[in-house]
Amino acid sequence: KAGVTQTPRYLIKTRGQQVTLSCSPISGHRSVSWYQQTPGQGLQFLFEYFSETQRNKGNFPGRFSGRQFSNSRSEMNVSTLELGDSALYLCASSILPGQAPYEQYFGPGTRLTVT
Amino acid sequence: AQSVAQPEDQVNVAEGNPLTVKCTYSVSGNPYLFWYVQYPNRGLQFLLKYITGDNLVKGSYGFEAEFNKSQTSFHLKKPSALVSDSALYFCAVRGTLPMNRDDKIIFGKGTRLHILP
Repeated sequence: KAGVTQTPRYLIKTRGQQVTLSCSPISGHRSVSWYQQTPGQGLQFLFEYFSETQRNKGNFPGRFSGRQFSNSRSEMNVSTLELGDSALYLCASSILPGQAPYEQYFGPGTRLTVT
Repeated sequence: AQSVAQPEDQVNVAEGNPLTVKCTYSVSGNPYLFWYVQYPNRGLQFLLKYITGDNLVKGSYGFEAEFNKSQTSFHLKKPSALVSDSALYFCAVRGTLPMNRDDKIIFGKGTRLHILP
């Protein structure tokens, strides 16, 4: 089975621009979560999608948004980029969300640099 | 609110020695607990998880973790460290209260493990 794929792997944007990141989960996985990883803050939860619906959201401003398609693929969008948005953005998929004890499978991440 | 603490930013261990990476948690109800490892320029890889049952959980690459309910801990262990074990390790917790939508998985800040040859 193919793993979680994320595109693009690297991205350089300037302040004020917007960016869209894409994630394709493992086949059969219906839950997709997004995380922001920075050296200072560690891994911070952005949001989780299941069946095209956002189930959970972390403490990020409204500039961060996402969506999930009927084939479980997900995109996240960041508008009006700030320097502090520079980070590794990780996507993770699991079979189901919620109270289920399913482990997550992570993609390699998209390294976003904002200049 | 759920939380996870990894009290050590970095752990140094000589190759061949036993290693321990510490994790404590706070959650309402019974926890699901996970350990993940991240190698440079890679995403996180699942190592092992505790759901219920035996307090000692065995996982990938010879790692194991001990669940201690009274101390709310889930320390990662390996009897004999390898240089290739050098990586960033994350502990994570998910609460299990029924009908609780606030059940997102929470990660610790990570512990960097250095195995010295």
